[in-house]
Formats: sequence, structure tokens, C-alpha cells
Amino acid sequence: ETGVTQSPTHLIKTRGQQVTLRCSSQSGHNTVSWYQQALGQGPQFIFQYYREEENGRGNFPPRFSGLQFPNYSSELNVNALELDDSALYLCASSPGLAGSTDTQYFGPGTRLTVL
Amino acid sequence: AQRVTQPEKLLSVFKGAPVELKCNYSYSGSPELFWYVQYSRQRLQLLLRHISRESIKGFTADLNKGETSFHLKKPFAQEEDSAMYYCALALDTGRRALTFGSGTRLQVQP
Repeated sequence: ETGVTQSPTHLIKTRGQQVTLRCSSQSGHNTVSWYQQALGQGPQFIFQYYREEENGRGNFPPRFSGLQFPNYSSELNVNALELDDSALYLCASSPGLAGSTDTQYFGPGTRLTVL
Repeated sequence: AQRVTQPEKLLSVFKGAPVELKCNYSYSGSPELFWYVQYSRQRLQLLLRHISRESIKGFTADLNKGETSFHLKKPFAQEEDSAMYYCALALDTGRRALTFGSGTRLQVQP
């Protein structure tokens, strides 16, 4: 199916390292949101980009950063990895319509393990 | 602060039984609420939103502002309804960025 894709599927890093996760939004979707899902928990909002500008941020430290590109792709970067960063990272794209008709479409996620 | 609570981690029912997945929220403004579902080996997807007042796959959810609840209901559960269900609230920040509850796993037994 065409839709939101994420890479890599799985990733193992050690504490202190840096990681970049990638997301490809559905064509035409100018909004991308990133979420962290710890085991047994619901997704937690990290930040959102709209037309390549950060458009909102959850309660995450600055070592979580992102980029959005004109080709509907985006990145989540995490510096100085900590053990608690181990989680499933989800990206979700949406058309960026005004009002509540906007729907978020989720990718399959990247499973990050920090040792 | 905006918060969503799903008190049940697991709900197990028999096929044909009624289902109610509980969701309570904390929000001072006018809330926008959603139910997302994740079937086995599939990605998270929108099931329904309160503003649409629609029934999807036999599920309905009514927003009760007095009780700050948005419970998901289905009169007769089917085995294919077995999945992880997340209640979500649209955040003040971002365009439809969401805060999720911790989820309820629904198991429908034959």
C-alpha cells in the first residue's frame, strides 16, 4: 500500500550515541508528527512539523530534534541517547487541513533499543 | 494539563457480547476526541472521532462532557474486533497532534 513509511524497522544503539530515524509521508501531506511509544504505553507526542517549520512540541528535551523536507520526508534526531529512549517511534502524516477533518496516518514505526 | 485515561489494560468478552471500552479525559477547553485501533501486525489507524457522530464497524462513542468521558461501545462483539484500542485527545499545540491513553486490549473469544 502507498502510505507512510519509516526506516529503519529496528535499530540498536548504545548509550550516548546519536540516532536518526526517517519517515516518508503520504504525497501531499504537509504535516508530520512524531510520537514515542514505550512498551505498554500509548504514543506520546514529541513534535510536529508543518511546511518544514516546527509547529508544536511535547514534553521532550532539546536533544530530540527534527527536520521536514519539501519532498514529504522527515527526520527525527536524538542526541546523547539514554536507556529510557528505548521505544517504538511513530511518525504520522496528515494533509494539514484546517479544523477537525484532518486525519493522521501512521507509519509502522521504528523500534529503537538503547543498550 | 491534557490527559487521557483508559482504566482497563485488558478486556475479554465472548463473541456476541456487548463491549464498552472506557476512556476519561482531562481538558479545560472544548475537547476533540478520537478512537484509534491497532489490529495485529497492522499500523495504528483512526477508528472514529466524536465530531463525526458516526458508527464504524458497529462501534459508536458518545462524548459526555459532564463525566468527561468518551467510551467506545459495540452491542455485539465479533472475533475480528480483537485489537488494541487507544483513546486520544487533540492537543492545543500543533495541527491535530494527539495525546493518547495507554490503551486497552480487547480480546473477543469464540
